Amino acid sequence: DVKVTQSSRYLVKRTGEKVFLECVQDMDHENMFWYRQDPGLGLRLIYFSYDVKMKEKGDIPEGYSVSREKKERFSLILESASTNQTSMYLCASSLTRVRPQHFGDGTRLSIL
Amino acid sequence: EDKVVQSPLSLVVHEGDTVTLNCSYEVTNFRSLLWYKQEKKAPTFLFMLTSSGIEKKSGRLSSILDKKELFSILNITATQTGDSAVYLCAVEKETSGSRLTFGEGTQLTVNP
Repeated sequence: DVKVTQSSRYLVKRTGEKVFLECVQDMDHENMFWYRQDPGLGLRLIYFSYDVKMKEKGDIPEGYSVSREKKERFSLILESASTNQTSMYLCASSLTRVRPQHFGDGTRLSIL
Repeated sequence: EDKVVQSPLSLVVHEGDTVTLNCSYEVTNFRSLLWYKQEKKAPTFLFMLTSSGIEKKSGRLSSILDKKELFSILNITATQTGDSAVYLCAVEKETSGSRLTFGEGTQLTVNP
């Protein structure tokens, strides 16, 4: 079974802090994704990567950056956290274009 | 702008009922439509649909895609309390990285 692991289930940070969310997958998947999930808005794509060191902006990249130095790890960075970034963050990975994405359990991030 | 619309947003039924969840989409360069089930944590993959008119089935769940009318339905027969979840519909585009656009989700509650 595919395992997508997010480093924290719950995280509380302060405004202005630099925040790192980590995601690791164990199935040698090429594609990795970061979403945020908010009530009434569904899942929205922040950034994705289809290869090591490759990244592309999703629908809502402002205020975020990403890093993919190794194939199995995809990090989401909040450069200077703000209260409107309080959300559930979900990481996903997929093997190829014709395979479904598999999700981690999510990180519920609160910015105070 | 790409759009995925799910209906109803919320549904309450009794055990044993049959439910139909709807998903319509407006997406350029469509490749596939996916259904996920989300309980407390990670969305779990149910179906991936690429061809019109071919029903996919897994136990009491089934789904079909109509590429001409741009919609899909997810049917659940003989519902159980364990079917209570948010059901997410997502559409994949023919672009690098297999990015998905999600609908808002349908919250299904099955009462005993």
